[in-house]
Amino acid sequence: DGGITQSPKYLFRKEGQNVTLSCEQNLNHDAMYWYRQDPGQGLRLIYYSQIVNDFQKGDIAEGYSVSREKKESFPLTVTSAQKNPTAFYLCASSPRTVNEQFFGPGTRLTVL
Amino acid sequence: QKEVEQDPGPLSVPEGAIVSLNCTYSNSAFQYFMWYRQYSRKGPELLMYTYSSGNKEDGRFTAQVDKSSKYISLFIRDSQPSDSATYLCASYSGGGADGLTFGKGTHLIIQP
Repeated sequence: DGGITQSPKYLFRKEGQNVTLSCEQNLNHDAMYWYRQDPGQGLRLIYYSQIVNDFQKGDIAEGYSVSREKKESFPLTVTSAQKNPTAFYLCASSPRTVNEQFFGPGTRLTVL
Repeated sequence: QKEVEQDPGPLSVPEGAIVSLNCTYSNSAFQYFMWYRQYSRKGPELLMYTYSSGNKEDGRFTAQVDKSSKYISLFIRDSQPSDSATYLCASYSGGGADGLTFGKGTHLIIQP
């Protein structure tokens, strides 16, 4: 089955700790994205990558970091510098030429 | 400045009714428009993808874009209880892979 997987589904973190969220896709898409969703809010773009070894900041990149070493993978690290990290994190991918973005199931991060 | 606006609802209609969901946007550069359906605690699912003004139909769903008034609509015919979800509209200006600008979503309830 082609699709996007995110792990873990639920993640708990203590304040001051960095944590990495996994995103993998087997759709052969060039572009990948990370969004954050807060209750009652739309999705906000954190980072995106159009090609391997390249990525751009989105609207709310502060306190987050990413890497894109493989086409299939785009992990997101939530650092201790992110002031309000509790949220639902969504990964998406799309072909580079047609921006139809397909989403994974999401990771719910809670900071204790 | 909020670039894509949606009424959060909830919008409650009886089963079988025609549902009209709407968004307005402010960025004149937006040319591509999408509707996503999101069930609670799940990733968004792409329903419709349209370019510029006009209508697009897919089964019970019709997307309509009026660029002159910056108005986006999604119509659902013969609504079913399984259509109960949050519907997100999204836009971008084009030029390849790029982050989407999302509305906050409208919560739709179809009453059996």
